[in-house]
This record gives sequence, C-alpha cells and structure tokens, in this order.
Amino acid sequence: GAVVSQHPSRVICKSGTSVKIECRSLDFQATTMFWYRQFPKQSLMLMATSNEGSKATYEQGVEKDKFLINHASLTLSTLTVTSAHPEDSSFYICSATGLDGYTFGSGTRLTVV
Amino acid sequence: AQSVTQLGSHVSVSEGALVLLRCNYSSSVPPYLFWYVQYPNQGLQLLLKYTTGATLVKGINGFEAEFKKSETSFHLTKPSAHMSDAAEYFCAVRWSGTASKLTFGTGTRLQVML
Repeated sequence: GAVVSQHPSRVICKSGTSVKIECRSLDFQATTMFWYRQFPKQSLMLMATSNEGSKATYEQGVEKDKFLINHASLTLSTLTVTSAHPEDSSFYICSATGLDGYTFGSGTRLTVV
Repeated sequence: AQSVTQLGSHVSVSEGALVLLRCNYSSSVPPYLFWYVQYPNQGLQLLLKYTTGATLVKGINGFEAEFKKSETSFHLTKPSAHMSDAAEYFCAVRWSGTASKLTFGTGTRLQVML
C-alpha cells in the first residue's frame, strides 16, 4: 500500500531555532498534503493544506510565518517551525492524498527546550 | 454547524468482549466517514471508511462499522476485543464540498483488560 515517510520521528531543539520536518510519499504522487498538530491526549488539528507548486492554505489561527510549508514536488512536503518556542512542542503529523485515499506519516515529536 | 462527536473519551472492555465506539456527525448532507487507529507516538492507520454503497463496512483487524443516516451515526464495533486493540481511535469525516479536508473527532481511548 501507499507509504508516507516522515522524518525526523523525534527532535529536540533550543528555543529560537528552526526545525524542518519532511514528509515523502514513497510510491505515489501526493497531489495534496495535510499537516496536523496533536497535543497530548487530544485530537488532530489541521494546520494547513498544501498542493504541489502552490502556496499552502492555512487554517484560521495558524501563523503562516511561523509554520512554513513547502510542497515543491509531488512526493515531498516540508514543514518548518521557525523561531520555535516551548509552546510549539507537540506531535506533528502529515497526511497525503493519493489513489489509496489518505495516508499518514508516522509523526514527529517536537520538543523545544 | 457541522460537527463530529465521539461519545466517551475512554472505553474499557474485557478481552473477548464486544467493542463499541460511538461516532455521530451533524450535517444535512451525509459526509464520507472514516475510522482510524493510532498507537502511541505513531501516525494514523485506516481501519475502514464509508463513502457510498453498502452501509455496513468491514475493515481490518475484525472491525466493522455501520452508517445509519437516520441516526447520523457511524459506530465502530468488533465482536471480540484483543489486547492488541488497545489504542486511540478517531472518527473522521470529509464534509461535502470541503475539498479533501478531514475533520477528526476528539478520539476514544480503548483499554482492553485481561
């Protein structure tokens, strides 16, 4: 089946630095990528939707300058958390749509210290 | 307003017992409906989905769900729980006319006891 590879699985960074998370669709072309944020013991909250070659569409309340999304190819989307702060610590998950429907990455645990 | 509700943030069953996880949606137009399972620190795995056609949907790992339009429900069931079923379960919907965005319920943590 379809696979989305998400890296890194865990990252710890210092406050004020930037962190990049990658999601790759390994065996299909992902026309649309979704980025979610999940707080402990809570549901997934959609942050943004990105289509290859165009600007991402952010959900209300999500700072687009803080969470930079790039979808430069049909197999790669990246989320960069800029000037990270402890409140950005969370579990981030990507999802790609293809012929099989929605395929989720394994998630990235971001801890900002 | 459109919404998806999962009743019960925690459900505890004995091994071998019936599993019933509830999901209701609020919309005049039936959405596409999904159930996902999430194990700790992992992404989501699709259990099953309903788009059109047969209202009783069978998924992986022995799970099934029935779409009931009159009750605006899509409850997930499994006849006999196994220890490996312990996880977080999310109901998700794709509303009509919202491109391909998914909206997730708040999740239900299933605990399976010996």
